[in-house]
Amino acid sequence: EAGVAQSPRYKIIEKRQSVAFWCNPISGHATLYWYQQILGQGPKLLIQFQNNGVVDDSQLPKDRFSAERLKGVDSTLKIQPAKLEDSAVYLCASSLARDQPQHFGDGTRLSIL
Amino acid sequence: GEDVEQSLFLSVREGDSSVINCTYTDSSSTYLYWYKQEPGAGLQLLTYIFSNMDMKQDQRLTVLLNKKDKHLSLRIADTQTGDSAIYFCAESMESKSTFGDGTTLTVKP
Repeated sequence: EAGVAQSPRYKIIEKRQSVAFWCNPISGHATLYWYQQILGQGPKLLIQFQNNGVVDDSQLPKDRFSAERLKGVDSTLKIQPAKLEDSAVYLCASSLARDQPQHFGDGTRLSIL
Repeated sequence: GEDVEQSLFLSVREGDSSVINCTYTDSSSTYLYWYKQEPGAGLQLLTYIFSNMDMKQDQRLTVLLNKKDKHLSLRIADTQTGDSAIYFCAESMESKSTFGDGTTLTVKP
């Protein structure tokens, strides 16, 4: 079974620029999550999708972050404009259904200069 | 994570047992998870326990859950150098997971 795929693996941008991350979940997984993991901390949930609908985006900084999962499969997370404090690893995870174990991709490491 | 607490570091000798502890606050949690993270990688699901269980064993891994004290532990038997990583505890309720900040396990030969 192929795992959760994320790209790019690394991204370096200057503050105030925009950036986008892509995630392809495990086939058949209805639930998709985006997390932010700051160095030395555990992952913090940004947004959760059930199929193509948003279940929870209460922790998403909506003034600069956006995410979509238009066809209920792949998802993109965008930051515009980026701030220095956005430097982190952005992890995508998927699960068969809500409240089922989550499977993580290897993440995108974002550095803001 | 503010609702899930873990000690930051643990160091053991190869062949010894490792015990990683975690406390959580939400008594309504339905699942409790242990994940392993190696450098440059995402989180790998190791094992999980349903909240109505008090123990689960899976090869070298034993999970103990004390619901009264909201305490979860992960025991790794015969720890190997390949077990060196960061271990995250997570609680889950209504599909929302809260993670601890991880315990860095160092295994010395």
